[in-house]
Amino acid sequence: DADVTQTPRNRITKTGKRIMLECSQTKGHDRMYWYRQDPGLGLRLIYYSFDVKDINKGEISDGYSVSRQAQAKFSLSLESAIPNQTALYFCATYDYVLGRDYEQYFGPGTRLTVT
Amino acid sequence: GENVEQHPSTLSVQEGDSAVIKCTYSDSASNYFPWYKQELGKRPQLIIDIRSNVGEKKDQRIAVTLNKTAKHFSLHITETQPEDSAVYFCAASGAGGGADGLTFGKGTHLIIQP
Repeated sequence: DADVTQTPRNRITKTGKRIMLECSQTKGHDRMYWYRQDPGLGLRLIYYSFDVKDINKGEISDGYSVSRQAQAKFSLSLESAIPNQTALYFCATYDYVLGRDYEQYFGPGTRLTVT
Repeated sequence: GENVEQHPSTLSVQEGDSAVIKCTYSDSASNYFPWYKQELGKRPQLIIDIRSNVGEKKDQRIAVTLNKTAKHFSLHITETQPEDSAVYFCAASGAGGGADGLTFGKGTHLIIQP
């Protein structure tokens, strides 16, 4: 399985603060993604990246920015956090998994609360 | 862009019975349809997927069917067990096969009654 880690796992911050969520993976997958999950809404794509020079907006990119520092690292930033950005954030990778075909694999998630 | 509708939002079945969750999608170019299971406080985990060149796929007690003409796909779980209780999400890929990210349904909370 892809080893995808996210830091922090939980974060409480105040309105207006800048916050960065980090994602690292050790499997050498090129494609990485950020989703947010809200109760009753499923997961929605924020940004995705094919490599360090290729960043693409997803369905709900407003209020967020990303940085692909290396193949293994993909960070999500909230420049000025607002309460409706309170959600569970998942990082994911996508690549071929031996014996299973291409698969999108999720990290453990970061629970962010904006007060 | 793609839009995925998922029904029902909650499904309660007796242990040992079958469960069926249905999804429809809007983008006829979508060609990859995964299903994820999410237990409370955990990450979504892929349980089965299907690509548009097949109509049905099975893995033990789980099966997925795809009707491209009608643009709908379904998850079938037979002989349900308590450990099947979770939230299930369907997703569709758009034309990119999953490489451009996935569009998810809103989820089905499956409850297995003992």
